[in-house]
Parts: sequence; structure tokens; C-alpha cells
Amino acid sequence: GAGVSQSPSNKVTEKGKDVELRCDPISGHTALYWYRQSLGQGLEFLIYFQGNSAPDKSGLPSDRFSAERTGGSVSTLTIQRTQQEDSAVYLCASSLVSGGSAGAFRYFGAGTRLSVL
Amino acid sequence: KQEVTQIPAALSVPEGENLVLNCSFTDSAIYNLQWFRQDPGKGLTSLLLIQSSQREQTSGRLNASLDKSSGRSTLYIAASQPGDSATYLCAVWDTDKLIFGTGTRLQVFP
Repeated sequence: GAGVSQSPSNKVTEKGKDVELRCDPISGHTALYWYRQSLGQGLEFLIYFQGNSAPDKSGLPSDRFSAERTGGSVSTLTIQRTQQEDSAVYLCASSLVSGGSAGAFRYFGAGTRLSVL
Repeated sequence: KQEVTQIPAALSVPEGENLVLNCSFTDSAIYNLQWFRQDPGKGLTSLLLIQSSQREQTSGRLNASLDKSSGRSTLYIAASQPGDSATYLCAVWDTDKLIFGTGTRLQVFP
């Protein structure tokens, strides 16, 4: 596709359930990033993939959060046993390469709004 | 640990005013700095990217400057319009991740 695609756009779940959020990066982009934006909070980094590996997962808030990327393309962010504080907008971004060069320009998806009741 | 702060947190102005949004960061060892716009319920739109070797970038009514030594960036919006109403975020490129500021919520009224 032309841009970064995230699904679903909205997800309502009950406390304690598991959820999976999907990100389809721009074709050919080797780097993929997940961010979270909670109400009243800034955008916080969760995890970054280079290919299928995650060199930096320092932002994952707890062991209930995990992410994987397969085939150097699609990524799934999984939240187990969801809690109300997990309610947020989860944004995905991809870039052609990682690092600080212009090729590392991140393109963001529209996000998944997660509401945990 | 890099921290990014934006001032003011919110701003409400009449149409036509020239605006200055401020972004400061604690660690000057950054690659680049980027300004984004976020509309309610929407994703991020990149406005300007200032690369490490540059001091400013311009696009239309927007001008962003970067002073790495003092840890500051400024976004200047000329002749503001109601359509400029949004949240403006600055982000520093720190190795392989962006570190975002807390944002400035701008409202421009007719």
C-alpha cells in the first residue's frame, strides 16, 4: 500500500482479555516502530524492529506486552490480560532504514485506539 | 536520558497572529529534529525535518529553527489560520527512536 496501515482502527475490549494490534509497514521499509499515546501523556516509544529483530524493546511497559515481526514486513503488538491503563492510541511507523540519515524518515500510521473497559 | 519539553502546553489566538512554539531538549547529541502536527483522532503529519547539519527549514508559512548547542528548537507560524488548529509535537531523533515532546495544543479562532 501507499502508507503505513494499522488495524483495527478502534478496539474495545474487556479488562483481562488479550488483544492483537497489527501494523503493515510501507513495502520495502526495513525498520518498524511502535509508540503509545495515552490520554494526557506524550507519545512514548515502545519497541523498534530492524528486519525481524528487535534491537530495542526498552519501552515495553511490562511483560504483558510483546511484539513480533515476520517476513520483515507485518508486525503484531500483543497485550495480554489487558488493564484499564492500557487504554491508549497505539501508533506504528516505518522507515526505509534505521539510524539518523534522511532514509530513516518515519512514516506514521493512523493508529489503533484501544479502550479497555 | 533525553527529555523533550514544549512550551506553551496550550495556546489560543485570533486568526492572523504570528506564533512561536518552543521545544527544548536536554541532550544536544541528537541526529535531527522533526516537527509534527496531530489533528484530533488522527495520526501524525510531518511538517518539517531539520537535519543535524542544518539550522532551519521552511515550508510555506512555517519556519523551524534548531540550535543544538542550547538544546532548543522553535516553530514559527506566520499569519495563523483556523485550519492551523491542532496539536504540534516536536521530536528529537535519538539513535533509533524518536523522543517526543508533550505537545502544544493550538487553537486559532476566526
